[in-house]
Amino acid sequence: SAVISQKPSRDICQRGTSLTIQCQVDSQVTMMFWYRQQPGQSLTLIATANQGSEATYESGFVIDKFPISRPNLTFSTLTVSNMSPEDSSIYLCSGGYTTDTQYFGPGTRLTVL
Amino acid sequence: AQSVAQPEDQVNVAEGNPLTVKCTYSVSGNPYLFWYVQYPNRGLQFLLKYITGDNLVKGSYGFEAEFNKSQTSFHLKKPSALVSDSALYFCAVSVLRDSNYQLIWGAGTKLIIKP
Repeated sequence: SAVISQKPSRDICQRGTSLTIQCQVDSQVTMMFWYRQQPGQSLTLIATANQGSEATYESGFVIDKFPISRPNLTFSTLTVSNMSPEDSSIYLCSGGYTTDTQYFGPGTRLTVL
Repeated sequence: AQSVAQPEDQVNVAEGNPLTVKCTYSVSGNPYLFWYVQYPNRGLQFLLKYITGDNLVKGSYGFEAEFNKSQTSFHLKKPSALVSDSALYFCAVSVLRDSNYQLIWGAGTKLIIKP
């Protein structure tokens, strides 16, 4: 298994600013992902974080809005840029090994005013 | 299109009774199937998975799930529910996309266990 931590756990931000969320895994995982979740609803995949190369974004998500870094096999960041109230959500990081189980961080609850 | 369906938004069970949370899937090939649980204000926790072999898989907290290939189902079960089982449950299937495996998620089922 893998233990995943995220920072910050929550934040309240002003419209037009940016927030960077950090995700740390306690072991070298093959795959890392970033999701968005509205409370009580299902998960929406934002992107696959690729080690040493550009992330692979899902339809509706673009690099300019959600730049992602993954400098090594245990760490990734997601930036939410030029935020608007519509970006208010829970952002989840996950990590796993190829086809096997994904393990999730506790999430970052973002509120944009 | 590949998809996962959780037909019940909410399931209500009395404590001590058996519980079932339903999941059906539509994917090509042999699926890898997962159940996750999310407690209020928490991240997702892995419960159990089916990859191959025995159709009945056992997981954390006394949960089990039965893989039924003919019915394309993977229902989550527990013989005796606890109030502490109240949470949001997600079914997911792993699919290959662009040389990477990703999870397709069900909409989630809110499980409420009443004392």
